[in-house]
Amino acid sequence: QKEVEQNSGPLSVPEGAIASLNCTYSDRGSQSFFWYRQYSGKSPELIMSIYSNGDKEDGRFTAQLNKASQYVSLLIRDSQPSDSATYLCAREGKGGSQGNLIFGKGTKLSVKP
Amino acid sequence: DADVTQTPRNRITKTGKRIMLECSQTKGHDRMYWYRQDPGLGLQLIYYSFDVKDINKGEISDGYSVSRQAQAKFSLSLESAIPNQTALYFCATSDLGGRNQPQHFGDGTRLSIL
Repeated sequence: QKEVEQNSGPLSVPEGAIASLNCTYSDRGSQSFFWYRQYSGKSPELIMSIYSNGDKEDGRFTAQLNKASQYVSLLIRDSQPSDSATYLCAREGKGGSQGNLIFGKGTKLSVKP
Repeated sequence: DADVTQTPRNRITKTGKRIMLECSQTKGHDRMYWYRQDPGLGLQLIYYSFDVKDINKGEISDGYSVSRQAQAKFSLSLESAIPNQTALYFCATSDLGGRNQPQHFGDGTRLSIL
């Protein structure tokens, strides 16, 4: 049930640009999705959650969910060097993994000054 | 103070030793988790507990055991450590109430087994 797929990157964007991070999943029953940011050697930190189709905005971050296409994305506007980190996508577990989160392996983002 | 506290933060030990990693939380959450993270492999679930009397194996439980001493405490043990258990270990918690519950992570324990 480990089907949360992310491009490992690195994704490199210039400072001030929009970074687009993508995640696909294979369980159509998934209802809840989360984006975590993880700096090297540090713990994952929750930055966004999304449960409904469409966009959810929080400051410079926008999460987008399309359940029909089984696709969730994270946009970071006005990217800063401090945004350089690995971004983990996670979905709510179902069935035998009910109550757990299923994590992707993460996309490494590098924002160049 | 951190809501999810892991001790120790770093540990270097030798093959064959018994090691215990401890996790305590002040968030009042019922659910607790142990993960390991290796470069390029993402987070792998070792064990999880939905309450004090409920312990479940994750995807990589072999070589590990856990104890849920109280709602706030969840310990991970390596009975006889081996070098391929060298990794970064994270404890996490989540609330039992309803769906859509994210997990909140401790700062991690960096474990090196020589």
